[in-house]
Amino acid sequence: KAGVTQTPRYLIKTRGQQVTLSCSPISGHRSVSWYQQTPGQGLQFLFEYFSETQRNKGNFPGRFSGRQFSNSRSEMNVSTLELGDSALYLCASSLAGGGEQYFGPGTRLTVT
Amino acid sequence: QKEVEQNSGPLSVPEGAIASLNCTYSDRGSQSFFWYRQYSGKSPELIMFIYSNGDKEDGRFTAQLNKASQYVSLLIRDSQPSDSATYLCAVNPQAGTALIFGKGTTLSVSS
Repeated sequence: KAGVTQTPRYLIKTRGQQVTLSCSPISGHRSVSWYQQTPGQGLQFLFEYFSETQRNKGNFPGRFSGRQFSNSRSEMNVSTLELGDSALYLCASSLAGGGEQYFGPGTRLTVT
Repeated sequence: QKEVEQNSGPLSVPEGAIASLNCTYSDRGSQSFFWYRQYSGKSPELIMFIYSNGDKEDGRFTAQLNKASQYVSLLIRDSQPSDSATYLCAVNPQAGTALIFGKGTTLSVSS
């Protein structure tokens, strides 16, 4: 069974721009969670989508948004990028949520 | 604010020794507990989960849960250099809620 895939793997953007990241979960998994990982803050939860609905949301500003499609693929969008948004963005899929999550390889975003 | 605390380390052990990684959590009603391993430059990988008080063993790994003390640990027996990684403790407060991660403990196993 194919694992979680994320595209693109690397991105360099300029302050003020926006970016869209994509995540394809494991086949049959209906929950997709997004995380931001930085050396100082560790793994921070952004949001979780289940059956096309946002089920949980972390403490991030409204510039961070996401959606999930009927095939469970998910996208995350960050608008008006700031230098502090530079991080590794990970998505994780699971059958129906909970802690048994399978992570993708991540998208490394650099904002200059 | 629900929190998961881990000692950041590094925890250094010689090859063949037992590595003990610890985690405490603030939400007394938490239901399920997970350990993820993350190698440098890689994404986290689930290695153990435990739902009930007591021990759960899987190969060289043992997860221990004490809900009364709000404490979960991971023991790695016969540690190998390939076990050198950051270990993330994660707690699911209740079904349908988001997983809460600790900041991780870095383990270094020397040969």
